Amino acid sequence: KQEVTQIPAALSVPEGENLVLNCSFTDSAIYNLQWFRQDPGKGLTSLLLIQSSQREQTSGRLNASLDKSSGRSTLYIAASQPGDSATYLCAVIKAAGNKLTFGGGTRVLVKP
Amino acid sequence: DGGITQSPKYLFRKEGQNVTLSCEQNLNHDAMYWYRQDPGQGLRLIYYSQIVNDFQKGDIAEGYSVSREKKESFPLTVTSAQKNPTAFYLCASRSLAGEHNEQFFGPGTRLTVL
Repeated sequence: KQEVTQIPAALSVPEGENLVLNCSFTDSAIYNLQWFRQDPGKGLTSLLLIQSSQREQTSGRLNASLDKSSGRSTLYIAASQPGDSATYLCAVIKAAGNKLTFGGGTRVLVKP
Repeated sequence: DGGITQSPKYLFRKEGQNVTLSCEQNLNHDAMYWYRQDPGQGLRLIYYSQIVNDFQKGDIAEGYSVSREKKESFPLTVTSAQKNPTAFYLCASRSLAGEHNEQFFGPGTRLTVL
């Protein structure tokens, strides 16, 4: 059974510092991996999706890497801002028609 | 505007009552999902459907029921058999065609049992 872990559960950084968020999964046979952002009391917003054949994906200040063989993905957020404060979740899917398996999330606080 | 809508945003239920949460999408997505989120925890899958008139149980289906009579609608009923229904409920959808099939989420419904 696929298990997804995100460590640490919470992270606090000063504004301007780069953020590094980790996601690990136990079964490397994944179809793709998706990173989400969740603000308190809100739904999830999709940030990046990495196909299993890709090594990384970039969108603005966000960069996500994927190392399937080691079962790891890392989300980098450059030059963090207070507006980046949120919970970040990763999720993997085994095959095209299957369901996502989520990690527990990392709660990020960027201090002005 | 394309997206997923959930209603109501807040719902209060007395013990012993069934309640139905609405989820509608106009993205023409094949698959729809219901998740439950408890404070400080990740998402747990309740039910999902990949095609009209068909659905599968997720990891925590007991005490819940769903229907998929239309492609754009996937309502969730929280029955009186669900022992601890107070939670944040999230609906999601995804296209099953092509490779870049991101999952998109609605804004959620917060259910409180009084």
